[in-house]
Amino acid sequence: QSVLTQPPSASGTPGQRVTISCSGSSSNIGSNYIYWYQHLPGTAPKLLIHRNNQRPSGLPDRFSGSKSGTSASLAISGLRSEDEADYYCAAWDDSLSGYVFGTGTKVTVL
Amino acid sequence: EVQLVESGGGLVQRGGSLRLSCAASGFTFSYYWMSWVRQAPGKGLQWVANIKQDGSEKYYVDSVKGRFTILRDNAKNSLWLQMNSLRVEDTAVYYCARAPSFDYLDVWGLGTTVTVSS
Repeated sequence: QSVLTQPPSASGTPGQRVTISCSGSSSNIGSNYIYWYQHLPGTAPKLLIHRNNQRPSGLPDRFSGSKSGTSASLAISGLRSEDEADYYCAAWDDSLSGYVFGTGTKVTVL
Repeated sequence: EVQLVESGGGLVQRGGSLRLSCAASGFTFSYYWMSWVRQAPGKGLQWVANIKQDGSEKYYVDSVKGRFTILRDNAKNSLWLQMNSLRVEDTAVYYCARAPSFDYLDVWGLGTTVTVSS
């Protein structure tokens, strides 16, 4: 089982703002950067946010990340149909000496 | 264009072996950590292993330690995952990913499917 906990699902109508939480511990989020990935089935996962709140070049500013203590969140503003996908948080875990992904959140655009 | 192409997946019996390959192009392979990540049917992403630029450091998820080995050849721009003593629970799509540092993955391949039968 994953050491990073996310809600299984989130939804919103086009144009709305959706927020996804990620809860961890002092050995992962509390002491390392958090990353966010988007994954559509059958495609390559895509990096959305790196080092807590940085967007890769070319990524729309509708996606934003934040971190506080042992928790983090991803916000998607101006929700669009193409945002319907699975979203994962991830961080290095010092206790495990390994990279851990969150449980994943399926975002549905209503 | 930065590209990662995995190959080598297939159907194998429990206890068998398989070697996955990842061909990298469009970037200086030797500058990056590299990783393998998998997704079992109906499950989320799971990191499997990563390897430092010169191969001097390797890390594995506990469930594959002693069974899987991550390898690279910078001269051939290639990454491999040698999988031995395969279990049914190793059935998954395996992704190769580029890692600017040990803790993040910025470019991913499309994956190769491994099925372990009982």
